[in-house]
Amino acid sequence: EAQVTQNPRYLITVTGKKLTVTCSQNMNHEYMSWYRQDPGLGLRQIYYSMNVEVTDKGDVPEGYKVSRKEKRNFPLILESPSPNQTSLYFCASSLRAGQETQYFGPGTRLLVL
Amino acid sequence: AQTVTQSQPEMSVQEAETVTLSCTYDTSESDYYLFWYKQPPSRQMILVIRQEAYKQQNATENRFSVNFQKAAKSFSLKISDSQLGDAAMYFCAYRSLPRNQFYFGTGTSLTVIP
Repeated sequence: EAQVTQNPRYLITVTGKKLTVTCSQNMNHEYMSWYRQDPGLGLRQIYYSMNVEVTDKGDVPEGYKVSRKEKRNFPLILESPSPNQTSLYFCASSLRAGQETQYFGPGTRLLVL
Repeated sequence: AQTVTQSQPEMSVQEAETVTLSCTYDTSESDYYLFWYKQPPSRQMILVIRQEAYKQQNATENRFSVNFQKAAKSFSLKISDSQLGDAAMYFCAYRSLPRNQFYFGTGTSLTVIP
């Protein structure tokens, strides 16, 4: 089944404790992206990747890191989480950068205390 | 950066009736895509419909259609014969092709009244 998976789905952590949210797709997609969703703000793009070893900042990259060492994986790293990073996070992918249809993962709900 | 505006935080419609959700966007680009996504209570993001900016014809997907007015930078979603399963948050989204970035509106929460 073609899908985008994220882990964990739910996470409660404390300020300053490094964490990684994994994202994996099995569709051989080149383009992958991370978003955060906050009430009243919609979805905002954090980082995106055009292909392996190619990443770029979205609108809200501060406090986040990403890497794209393999085509299928695009982990989101919070080196020192803060309470303002409490949010719902989505990973998404599409076949190519110019290919318009994005497939979204199920979301990861993060609470930083 | 591009901005996408959904001016209706909440809308409601009677079952079987028609409802239109509004979306406007601001851009200086000529080549882009526009989308409507549905987010039910499960939080899964589901693509409803997409529109290529270079196409003059409005996109249609079964009961869902758009009114794309490029000069006015307007992209509204019409849902015909509304069903209870249409109840969800709807997001309008813009994809910049030169920059390969996505921009989302703040969403419209649609309630369907039986």
